[in-house]
Amino acid sequence: GAVVSQHPSWVICKSGTSVKIECRSLDFQATTMFWYRQFPKQSLMLMATSNEGSKATYEQGVEKDKFLINHASLTLSTLTVTSAHPEDSSFYICSARGLQGLYEQYFGPGTRLTVT
Amino acid sequence: GESVGLHLPTLSVQEGDNSIINCAYSNSASDYFIWYKQESGKGPQFIIDIRSNMDKRQGQRVTVLLNKTVKHLSLQIAATQPGDSAVYFCAGGGGATNKLIFGTGTLLAVQP
Repeated sequence: GAVVSQHPSWVICKSGTSVKIECRSLDFQATTMFWYRQFPKQSLMLMATSNEGSKATYEQGVEKDKFLINHASLTLSTLTVTSAHPEDSSFYICSARGLQGLYEQYFGPGTRLTVT
Repeated sequence: GESVGLHLPTLSVQEGDNSIINCAYSNSASDYFIWYKQESGKGPQFIIDIRSNMDKRQGQRVTVLLNKTVKHLSLQIAATQPGDSAVYFCAGGGGATNKLIFGTGTLLAVQP
């Protein structure tokens, strides 16, 4: 149980275009989903926290107009990287916390974004 | 401020030996700590967690020790196997936001 999927697993896009990444909780309902970014050989950095039906809370330094997060249902959150640039190339990972969860977060497999 | 860091960026051990990965944290308000394993190109995988009111917790081949006096956390892996090779992160969480703050990670390399 507690499986989280991400789609796509990898994507290559041109500079200036937008890319949408989906995060789904497959066998549980997630009231809260988290989006992380990870650069090579570095740790996970929390970008934002999203709660179903409300606006996401962004971490300091993360541009909310550039990284659009939508958490429209209890099983789906999306991250859209708008006007992507090469410096946005990274590994994006989502996690989800269930209705009963106190603090457990279940992580997705990640999405590798490369902006050319 | 909030930070969780690791002492050793790389740890190389022989197959069959025990591994100890250390982590220091600064936020005394953390309610819990979690160890994750991350293989290359994959998302973090939960290993074991510990509440701040505990000092030891054991799982299958793994033990987490928490020393709140010195704000130190460790992950012990018994009889390390090649499949244990990965990056290990500690993360602390809790408080009003209940966010996870990740440490910098330790690469565990198991030599056959």
